[in-house]
Amino acid sequence: QQQVKQSPQSLIVQKGGISIINCAYENTAFDYFPWYQQFPGKGPALLIAIRPDVSEKKEGRFTISFNKSAKQFSLHIMDSQPGDSATYFCAATRNFGNEKLTFGTGTRLTIIP
Amino acid sequence: GAVVSQHPSWVICKSGTSVKIECRSLDFQATTMFWYRQFPKQSLMLMATSNEGSKATYEQGVEKDKFLINHASLTLSTLTVTSAHPEDSSFYICSALTSGRYQETQYFGPGTRLLVL
Repeated sequence: QQQVKQSPQSLIVQKGGISIINCAYENTAFDYFPWYQQFPGKGPALLIAIRPDVSEKKEGRFTISFNKSAKQFSLHIMDSQPGDSATYFCAATRNFGNEKLTFGTGTRLTIIP
Repeated sequence: GAVVSQHPSWVICKSGTSVKIECRSLDFQATTMFWYRQFPKQSLMLMATSNEGSKATYEQGVEKDKFLINHASLTLSTLTVTSAHPEDSSFYICSALTSGRYQETQYFGPGTRLLVL
């Protein structure tokens, strides 16, 4: 009930391409879905987040698509750059973020020239 | 804004000693902080939720007597690994909760790498 499933585990994308990472959740009580970016040896950094009352949110090259009925959400990185190479975690929480995060298993993204 | 620091960033200690890790919210007050543990190439595992002025809430399977958490002020939480053993070697990360316009958001510290010899 508390799981967040994330795929793929690893992803290689050419520079300039679109990187897509998918997550699915089970608990319908989740109401806040952030994405975090983590570089090796560093703590996760908040990238973008969405609430279920919208189907899409865009910030620069990063877009979250949200499908409430399917209980799925995804991160799209447009015009992917080598600097985007990192591990990405989706997460979900309840009470508009006021409770603990349930993390996905992570996606290691590599952008090749 | 929303900066969280951790100290130390690296610590190496002998087996049997205790190690204290500090987590500070630098530009905001955090009534709630979280402590995570992360093994290489794995996701973050929540260890405990720390609330200012009250006892921490530990996740199932986390030994509260081994991982002592103190949240004595609105900007500081500490994690003490008592009688550390090599299996406690890991990357420990804290986060602090801050209020936004529509939701609360967790901001993470840079992490502390612990190596127990």
